[in-house]
Amino acid sequence: QKEVEQDPGPLSVPEGAIVSLNCTYSNSAFQYFMWYRQYSRKGPELLMYTYSSGNKEDGRFTAQVDKSSKYISLFIRDSQPSDSATYLCAMSDNYGQNFVFGPGTRLSVLP
Amino acid sequence: SAVISQKPSRDICQRGTSLTIQCQVDSQVTMMFWYRQQPGQSLTLIATANQGSEATYESGFVIDKFPISRPNLTFSTLTVSNMSPEDSSIYLCSVERNTKNSYEQYFGPGTRLTVT
Repeated sequence: QKEVEQDPGPLSVPEGAIVSLNCTYSNSAFQYFMWYRQYSRKGPELLMYTYSSGNKEDGRFTAQVDKSSKYISLFIRDSQPSDSATYLCAMSDNYGQNFVFGPGTRLSVLP
Repeated sequence: SAVISQKPSRDICQRGTSLTIQCQVDSQVTMMFWYRQQPGQSLTLIATANQGSEATYESGFVIDKFPISRPNLTFSTLTVSNMSPEDSSIYLCSVERNTKNSYEQYFGPGTRLTVT
């Protein structure tokens, strides 16, 4: 079993849809959870950051962490064509060590 | 956050040659990282570069192939040595910023390397 799993997609949705992106992980030591957005031919950009379990909202984006299920999600409301990118989850342990990335989900939002 | 620049942004190199990639950060950071991202794939950590000590390499990566320098707290280089077409990839540097309850990594724009 890989340490972090993520549906690679591609995921295509119409503009305005709600998008749900998910990752599962196996290491219970992970405490910090991040979502990165990577546009084609660009470096990953930190989008959302969450510590331990719970929800965090930032504009159209909501990150959820369920440590009991080892499951994290990123929701995008009112998706826009500009949201078309690859989304990578990432996580690390309590000391910022063992930083691990998921394989990424490629999202296309169609106008 | 952090502003990170990389040079070159892209290059096409001949088999058997070496390329040095530079990474510059706008402020002092303790930890810098070098990643490889092959087409359509996620990020693979090559090594962690700390100032004043030898870089720490991940399994499958060796210093002879990927020598790293870290002369100060804002700069690092990664050299891809004796290149082969299998080294064609995007190479990314990143830095870690630690704040209260936070360990975040920020990435440079990447260097797209093609080996012919």
